[in-house]
Amino acid sequence: SQTIHQWPATLVQPVGSPLSLECTVEGTSNPNLYWYRQAAGRGLQLLFYSVGIGQISSEVPQNLSASRPQDRQFILSSKKLLLSDSGFYLCAWAPAGRLETQYFGPGTRLLVL
Amino acid sequence: AQTVTQSQPEMSVQEAETVTLSCTYDTSESNYYLFWYKQPPSRQMILVIRQEAYKQQNATENRFSVNFQKAAKSFSLKISDSQLGDTAMYFCASSPKGTYKYIFGTGTRLKVLA
Repeated sequence: SQTIHQWPATLVQPVGSPLSLECTVEGTSNPNLYWYRQAAGRGLQLLFYSVGIGQISSEVPQNLSASRPQDRQFILSSKKLLLSDSGFYLCAWAPAGRLETQYFGPGTRLLVL
Repeated sequence: AQTVTQSQPEMSVQEAETVTLSCTYDTSESNYYLFWYKQPPSRQMILVIRQEAYKQQNATENRFSVNFQKAAKSFSLKISDSQLGDTAMYFCASSPKGTYKYIFGTGTRLKVLA
């Protein structure tokens, strides 16, 4: 069966520091991968998606970037965090060729101080 | 543009009772998927139920069922025999068929009371 991991689970970072959040999927090949952000009390906002290694599409211009160095690894990064980057970050995957259902990871809670 | 509206920010229900969460959506797509996701206090998003728009029959998963009214663009979730573990935030979402884009509503916080 497929599983999706995210780490760290919680992160507290100072403003201006770099960020790296990691997401990995097991049990599937060539998944579609997604990064979402959920602000407190809000719905989910799609940040990036990827259909393959090195293929990243950005949905919202911002302080963040994403990379996919391996088939089942998706990384969310920032060179300099802003206070507004605080939130809950969720990674999701969907089977290759079947876009209709996304499965979410456990999420990372990021607090920028 | 697609929109998803959940007009009930919070709801509560007694254990073992039935509750219905509302969702309306707007889309110009001819075929699309609709979803209900549950986000418990752990905050992991869990798929509850999925409906393909061209299917007339309402989807059902154990105690969870939907009332899909395509003409009215309504997609409500009914939870029967509510359990304490159903306490969570519930998100409605839509996605055009063949695309990656999910449009989420703002969620309904459901509390099941003992």
